Amino acid sequence: GEDVEQSLFLSVREGDSSVINCTYTDSSSTYLYWYKQEPGAGLQLLTYIFSNMDMKQDQRLTVLLNKKDKHLSLRIADTQTGDSAIYFCAEKAPDSSYKLIFGSGTRLLVRP
Amino acid sequence: EPEVTQTPSHQVTQMGQEVILRCVPISNHLYFYWYRQILGQKVEFLVSFYNNEISEKSEIFDDQFSVERPDGSNFTLKIRSTKLEDSAMYFCASSADRNYGYTFGSGTRLTVV
Repeated sequence: GEDVEQSLFLSVREGDSSVINCTYTDSSSTYLYWYKQEPGAGLQLLTYIFSNMDMKQDQRLTVLLNKKDKHLSLRIADTQTGDSAIYFCAEKAPDSSYKLIFGSGTRLLVRP
Repeated sequence: EPEVTQTPSHQVTQMGQEVILRCVPISNHLYFYWYRQILGQKVEFLVSFYNNEISEKSEIFDDQFSVERPDGSNFTLKIRSTKLEDSAMYFCASSADRNYGYTFGSGTRLTVV
């Protein structure tokens, strides 16, 4: 069945780049997303990528998609303490028009 | 920036009681969703709602669950007879389009005792 996996924890120093990785199982996924969750808040959509793209850049965020390996990454340049949060990778379920399948989330800790 | 608003933020209920979780989606959005996250588990899809009817539901969304958009602004999730295993964070979401990502609310933490 469909599954999305992420590493659970990442710690970086302020100013460094962070790379959060995600793997998914269904190669027919069309849309892939990154969401951010800060404590006590909802899931904030950061960015998405369509499966016919390899890369998408949006200010400090770079999304890389390797369809062959079913691997998605989110790079945050110049990571700030305000970037500390849980980051969720999600895919649009291939057999669905509506459903997202989420990974477990990666907790990013940015050390001063 | 427009927000999805959920109330209450935390609800405690006794097993067997009915609960209604409320959401106000973004006003020009057409698609509405409920997801839940049991503590320590992944965020799971429950149901999607479009054009005043359920468009898709998961296996979790059984006869104990129902959704309604009673007045054109609110979107509710009702659990008829709560069980201990219904304890979770429930997220409402809405979108203008099916593909370009949803806006989620902050969630309602439901605790069934």
